[in-house]
Amino acid sequence: DVKVTQSSRYLVKRTGEKVFLECVQDMDHENMFWYRQDPGLGLRLIYFSYDVKMKEKGDIPEGYSVSREKKERFSLILESASTNQTSMYLCASRGVTGANVLTFGAGSRLTVL
Amino acid sequence: RKEVEQDPGPFNVPEGATVAFNCTYSNSASQSFFWYRQDCRKEPKLLMSVYSSGNEDGRFTAQLNRASQYISLLIRDSKLSDSATYLCVVNPYSSASKIIFGSGTRLSIRP
Repeated sequence: DVKVTQSSRYLVKRTGEKVFLECVQDMDHENMFWYRQDPGLGLRLIYFSYDVKMKEKGDIPEGYSVSREKKERFSLILESASTNQTSMYLCASRGVTGANVLTFGAGSRLTVL
Repeated sequence: RKEVEQDPGPFNVPEGATVAFNCTYSNSASQSFFWYRQDCRKEPKLLMSVYSSGNEDGRFTAQLNRASQYISLLIRDSKLSDSATYLCVVNPYSSASKIIFGSGTRLSIRP
């Protein structure tokens, strides 16, 4: 069964801290995504990676960076967390052949105090 | 205007009822369409893809109307376990990154 694993389900951080959110997929997918989901706003794309070391900004990249050193791993970094980054963060992956279906990880709920 | 719009609901219907939601999209060049289901505090999961000719999966029927630019989801004989938020998803250009999510329609099935 296809799997996307996010290392942390719940995190509490303080303003100004650096935060790493890790995501690993076992499907050999080329495409990986980071979204955040907030009530009433739906899912918004932060960053997208289409291959190792390749990335594209999404709709809301400000305050975030990403790293994709290996195909299976896509990390989201908050260099200096702020309270408005309190949210649910969802990682997803997708292969380039077949149906354009996204598979999501279970999510990481981040609270910034 | 949002690129993908859904009625947020909530739709509150009795068990066994038939319920339908629509989702409109603004980009006429959109190519791929999906319905995802999201349970409370869980990740979205694919419910079904939506094909041009319409498609059915058990109690669920999805339809696409390109002329009016909407997709629909019909749930027959609804079960308590169908309670969830249903997300409409549109891929405008078959591009890798440009996947648009609706904000979701909340469905609550009551006994």
